[in-house]
Amino acid sequence: ETGVTQSPTHLIKTRGQQVTLRCSSQSGHNTVSWYQQALGQGPQFIFQYYREEENGRGNFPPRFSGLQFPNYSSELNVNALELDDSALYLCASSLGVGQGGKLFFGSGTQLSVL
Amino acid sequence: AQSVTQPDIHITVSEGASLELRCNYSYGATPYLFWYVQSPGQGLQLLLKYFSGDTLVQGIKGFEAEFKRSQSSFNLRKPSVHWSDAAEYFCAVGDGGATNKLIFGTGTLLAVQP
Repeated sequence: ETGVTQSPTHLIKTRGQQVTLRCSSQSGHNTVSWYQQALGQGPQFIFQYYREEENGRGNFPPRFSGLQFPNYSSELNVNALELDDSALYLCASSLGVGQGGKLFFGSGTQLSVL
Repeated sequence: AQSVTQPDIHITVSEGASLELRCNYSYGATPYLFWYVQSPGQGLQLLLKYFSGDTLVQGIKGFEAEFKRSQSSFNLRKPSVHWSDAAEYFCAVGDGGATNKLIFGTGTLLAVQP
């Protein structure tokens, strides 16, 4: 049990729709990172939020956007869903952005795009 | 660019046998290296990490890993595998930038035979 909770656990959407995934970080953590894990692949970094500001982004198009709230919880929004967006989306929280900081991962949201 | 290679997609070992999972990385400086485990339907759990110092790192659940700079490797080992170790294992490297972004390998799926 990491203290990082994600909702919903599963989601089915249709191509072209929009989706919002939510993450509640571990108490005291001010940094949230989002990862996409396609089937049979390792997680890929989407972006990170630190103290409500985007602090780094991976190789994902602008239709992937995010938000971090004053309580450090976070949302991942994906517009114009494509079939290839089907994946497990993982949220990880940490205290700060240093490389030594331990990441605590949630159990993920499984998104299926039909 | 940093990268991680896990050459073994799938490994099967007998319960009680020893285990070694391979990981090779590409990184220009001294890397931050990690091993994570993912059980079905779960997020990622940190097994161990290496930043500097002693090249043999002890982790949770009886795992250890050895950093070998000359071979660009960070292999994970366990002397005696338990059935509960069946899971997917990911090696990761920190990208060394302004975030604590991790670059993951594609994972090794471990099956344990009775």
